[in-house]
Amino acid sequence: DAKTTQPPSMDCAEGRAANLPCNHSTISGNEYVYWYRQIHSQGPQYIIHGLKNNETNEMASLIITEDRKSSTLILPHATLRDTAVYYCIVRAYFGNEKLTFGTGTRLTIIP
Amino acid sequence: SQTIHQWPATLVQPVGSPLSLECTVEGTSNPNLYWYRQAAGRGLQLLFYSVGIGQISSEVPQNLSASRPQDRQFILSSKKLLLSDSGFYLCALAGVGTGELFFGEGSRLTVL
Repeated sequence: DAKTTQPPSMDCAEGRAANLPCNHSTISGNEYVYWYRQIHSQGPQYIIHGLKNNETNEMASLIITEDRKSSTLILPHATLRDTAVYYCIVRAYFGNEKLTFGTGTRLTIIP
Repeated sequence: SQTIHQWPATLVQPVGSPLSLECTVEGTSNPNLYWYRQAAGRGLQLLFYSVGIGQISSEVPQNLSASRPQDRQFILSSKKLLLSDSGFYLCALAGVGTGELFFGEGSRLTVL
């Protein structure tokens, strides 16, 4: 069973910030939050990950709540190319465990 | 850098025929390897994962099997394909020390 829950779909206007939520209420202390996205007919692409502090890279920002039970991926200026399915998963940094994905959020950027 | 190669990229097979999908990785040692399947319009379903040579964990009862004959080789097989086996098969590795998952480009299987 996936350890995360996400809304099935979201729309966002082009040029606006897209905020994608993820709940991971059973996250363990040694587990990181990872975000991936999958554009149609391709393998998932890594976006960002974090443990407890907020993180930012050239693609996105990750905001993790203080209790670590939820997080939000922010695409600051969404473009049409950001239309994809976004997956949030949790895993330990050096884990040997199975990695299950939820159904993700289908983000559609509207012109 | 770590890379994953999958083949074939596309495959059309009749019901009841055998299957072999291969995944090889480069740039890492002793990775955890995963096979996922994605049916049309659906999410990623974990099929098998392996933490080392000869070590396979199965997540979903089915007519598929997996093997890891070498550290950097992961094979997905079936003796007799079903229509429901159609889908997009993805191999992934979790590099020790990186925490990141790397995915191959996938193999698209259509069973007719």
